[in-house]
Amino acid sequence: DPKIIQKPKYLVAVTGSEKILICEQYLGHNAMYWYRQSAKKPLEFMFSYSYQKLMDNQTASSRFQPQSSKKNHLDLQITALKPDDSATYFCASSQEEGGREDTQYFGPGTRLLVL
Amino acid sequence: GQQVQQSPASLVLQEGENAELQCNFSSTATQLQWFYQSPGGSLVSLLSNPSGTKHTGRLTSTTVTKERRSSLHISSSQTTDSGTYLCARTGNYKYVFGAGTRLKVIA
Repeated sequence: DPKIIQKPKYLVAVTGSEKILICEQYLGHNAMYWYRQSAKKPLEFMFSYSYQKLMDNQTASSRFQPQSSKKNHLDLQITALKPDDSATYFCASSQEEGGREDTQYFGPGTRLLVL
Repeated sequence: GQQVQQSPASLVLQEGENAELQCNFSSTATQLQWFYQSPGGSLVSLLSNPSGTKHTGRLTSTTVTKERRSSLHISSSQTTDSGTYLCARTGNYKYVFGAGTRLKVIA
């Protein structure tokens, strides 16, 4: 069974619309992350959450908003979508106990295409 | 500037040959991890190796922390090894990825 679930696998949206990318992890981890991979850039860090609190935000735009309703959920809401937002979005998680930096485990990704 | 640099950018091997992939990082890393990304896009963690040498199967990673470099050696390559190999270092609880080495193994 997959331990990190991302939904949907593929998503097509029109410019200006809003979408939510879902991530759930069943590894019992305390920290969750979002990364983005576009065609022109390496995988890049977006957000980190620890115990449902935002730890770090490296996105320049407020159009990207993570939402954590439970410790094992970290969804990503994207508003006013632009074609440049087209990318694969990866969710990850780690144990993150006592401030030690743990190995991160990645989900399968959601491929977003904005037309 | 780019914090993680990988070389070569691409590599073509005949099946059975060995591959040596390099990763250089600009600051000391708490964690250094190698990933495989399939042509379909999924990410698989291969090795976590912040220092020293680690082996798993046909893979050997050597990280020299004070020189800020890591290598991934793939022995006896197979066509199923084709894909992109990514190096990532951690710092402040986030991973910084290199651009990857695209490996193609031909029969």
